[in-house]
Order: sequence, then C-alpha cells, then structure tokens
Amino acid sequence: NAGVTQTPKFRVLKTGQSMTLLCAQDMNHEYMYWYRQDPGMGLRLIHYSVGEGTTAKGEVPDGYNVSRLKKQNFLLGLESAAPSQTSVYFCASTKTLAGGWEQFFGPGTRLTVL
Amino acid sequence: GQNIDQPTEMTATEGAIVQINCTYQTSGFNGLFWYQQHAGEAPTFLSYNVLDGLEEKGRFSSFLSRSKGYSYLLLKELQMKDSASYLCAVLDSNYQLIWGAGTKLIIKP
Repeated sequence: NAGVTQTPKFRVLKTGQSMTLLCAQDMNHEYMYWYRQDPGMGLRLIHYSVGEGTTAKGEVPDGYNVSRLKKQNFLLGLESAAPSQTSVYFCASTKTLAGGWEQFFGPGTRLTVL
Repeated sequence: GQNIDQPTEMTATEGAIVQINCTYQTSGFNGLFWYQQHAGEAPTFLSYNVLDGLEEKGRFSSFLSRSKGYSYLLLKELQMKDSASYLCAVLDSNYQLIWGAGTKLIIKP
C-alpha cells in the first residue's frame, strides 16, 4: 500500500496563477483533510471531506476550493495564488473520527508564491 | 476560542528522560493525540488518550488529565533519532483536530 500520496512535492507560482494539488489514498478511508503548516503555527485545517461527493470548510478556507469526486482522491485548488498562500500543504486521511483512529499524512507539498 | 499550548523548544541529553507538556482549552473533548514530525517530513502518530491516566508504548508514554486540560508526552532513554517536533492535538466536539504549534526537541550527545 502506498498510503497517502501527494503531487506535486514542490511548486513555485507567481501571484495570480492557479494550480491544483492532488491527494490520493489507497486505504479506503472515508475522511480526508487538507492542512497548511506555517512556521510557529499549528497545522490549520483548510477543507475536509467526510465522504465521496462531500466537502466542508475548515478553519482557513478562503482562497481555496476542493473536490472529492472519487473516494480515493481529494483535490485542493488555488484559483488565484497569493504570497500569503506560501506554505507546506499536507493531506491526511482517516478511517473514522472516533475511537482514536489516527490520521495518516501525505509527504507534503511545498508551495512558494512569488 | 480554542487554544492548545506547548513549549516552543526543549533540549535534552541522549539517554535521559524528557517530558513535553500540553495544555488545552477546546470546545468539547473527544480525545488527545500526540504526533512526531521530523524536519521536512509529515507528522506520524504516536499516541491517543481519551480517558485520564497514563498510556505506555515502549519508550514513549502519554498522560491525560481531562479535569486540568493537561497532557504530557514522556520520552525515555532518549536517542538522537528522537530529535523532532512533537505535536499535541485535541479532537473537539465537532470531531475536528485542533493542533498545537509543536515542541521542537533537540537531543544533545
């Protein structure tokens, strides 16, 4: 099993450009998440999904959109990138929310917006 | 608001014991997680506590006091590979994980 994979691993954008980050998991997990991690701050939830075809906003959703057309994939889109979106983006998935099931994380995407 | 506090950085000696504290104020509580994150890598799961008390797993133990809003992660027999950031996270009443900023642990020989 590959677990959780993310593409791309690195990307440099210019302000105003758009891009899509892809997350894929092969563990048949229902729940998937997109986080951003910035120095000195905890992981912050951008958007999440509790199942195929459903998405919901997290703590910092502005400037991002998501889609979960297939259970195994969760896409994060930046329509018009801004320097404030320079960050490390992590995708995670989990089987269920209760009972101490851990979140499995992808390797991260390091995004720089110039 | 929701808040999780943990020290920014700690230093310990190889072979010693270190305790990393975490205090939280959240909207509800459905469990507390500890994750380890090496520099440039993704977080990986260490432990989960939902009831008061100590959970031991090899060299790592995690303690929870719900009445005090307090947890700690205890690392014994420290090894150089334990140099990493340790993230405390609480599952709130909406079953969303609220993350602390992490504690960077530096191990010296």
